Amino acid sequence: GQQLNQSPQSMFIQEGEDVSMNCTSSSIFNTWLWYKQDPGEGPVLLIALYKAGELTSNGRLTAQFGITRKDSFLNISASIPSDVGIYFCAGQGGDAGNMLTFGGGTRLMVKP
Amino acid sequence: DGGITQSPKYLFRKEGQNVTLSCEQNLNHDAMYWYRQDPGQGLRLIYYSQIVNDFQKGDIAEGYSVSREKKESFPLTVTSAQKNPTAFYLCASSMRTGLGYEQYFGPGTRLTVT
Repeated sequence: GQQLNQSPQSMFIQEGEDVSMNCTSSSIFNTWLWYKQDPGEGPVLLIALYKAGELTSNGRLTAQFGITRKDSFLNISASIPSDVGIYFCAGQGGDAGNMLTFGGGTRLMVKP
Repeated sequence: DGGITQSPKYLFRKEGQNVTLSCEQNLNHDAMYWYRQDPGQGLRLIYYSQIVNDFQKGDIAEGYSVSREKKESFPLTVTSAQKNPTAFYLCASSMRTGLGYEQYFGPGTRLTVT
């Protein structure tokens, strides 16, 4: 199946720094979803985006649905140690049909 | 409270044995999914079911089988034909909201085959 290009693959930052990660695709999507996965657990849905250009926040997290419908980004402001984990983007609909297509994940490590 | 449960959390089997992983949801979601995750990798779709008594193969269905006899339940059987079954298995479910589909995951089952 098709893949989303998610970058960076990993980040090692200092507590308090802002973080930015993004996903790009050659296909258009109708929905972008961002998940966080803690070690040994299932992914947890953080933010869902449904409209091109939409900017949505959830606490210190902000995500945007790219205007071309082929990309999305996630920002985390003022990172804290519990932000550690793997962040996945997923696209749904459009060229991809109703199934989710996942990015490869961004592993975030936060140094206290 | 509502959610998706997978059991057991850890499962160990000998090579050549079939094993069934449980997935139950009480969210009243129509669609259910099984994914496989290998270390440091993303999620790959094994099977999905959009309605009771119907299911479709995903990207990596070989060596796996499923059933969907009840809306709440979507068990996955890892057969002896699966060449490399050791992995983290995730079940998910979804329903259409007013805007689109949101997919929610269970806590996962880590299967080790030796």
